[in-house]
Amino acid sequence: GQNIDQPTEMTATEGAIVQINCTYQTSGFNGLFWYQQHAGEAPTFLSYNVLDGLEEKGRFSSFLSRSKGYSYLLLKELQMKDSASYLCAVTDSNYQLIWGAGTKLIIKP
Amino acid sequence: ETGVTQTPRHLVMGMTNKKSLKCEQHLGHNAMYWYKQSAKKPLELMFVYSLEERVENNSVPSRFSPECPNSSHLFLHLHTLQPEDSALYLCASSHSQGEANVLTFGAGSRLTVL
Repeated sequence: GQNIDQPTEMTATEGAIVQINCTYQTSGFNGLFWYQQHAGEAPTFLSYNVLDGLEEKGRFSSFLSRSKGYSYLLLKELQMKDSASYLCAVTDSNYQLIWGAGTKLIIKP
Repeated sequence: ETGVTQTPRHLVMGMTNKKSLKCEQHLGHNAMYWYKQSAKKPLELMFVYSLEERVENNSVPSRFSPECPNSSHLFLHLHTLQPEDSALYLCASSHSQGEANVLTFGAGSRLTVL
């Protein structure tokens, strides 16, 4: 079957750096997405990786290794507003989106 | 404002009630989706519409009935629901279906079935 694994919950300190990992086993691969979802709000798009390597976008970066079935989202200079759930999703060979259960990130002062 | 608006935001209904969830997008997108989000579970795709035609129905019980009258509007009609149907129902849209498209989500309708 197809599966996405990411930690259920992580805690980090304001101003620090945190890395949220995502591993996947899917039927084919056509890209990996990260979305951010604040409590009670819509998930919003953060990043898309289809080739190996690191994509940087301000304080957020996303890394992909297709051979390892692995991605991470790196958040730098953490702010309280970064407290949210982070959803990893992979597009398989049929362009179906396979979702992880999300990682709840708690930022402490 | 995300570009996708869902109403109502909260809904409480009994198992014998009939209600509808509404989704509206004015982003010019051609594909619209209904997802179910339960705590600590992955998003579950329920229905996909592309150019107003249903292209996917992921074995969803018939007590959920979607309707897409035009490319901007999507409904989910609810009838004789069960308590386990209580969840957040998310609507999303994308430029097209069948590619690696970015989804734009609404804030969801929180459904509680008593």
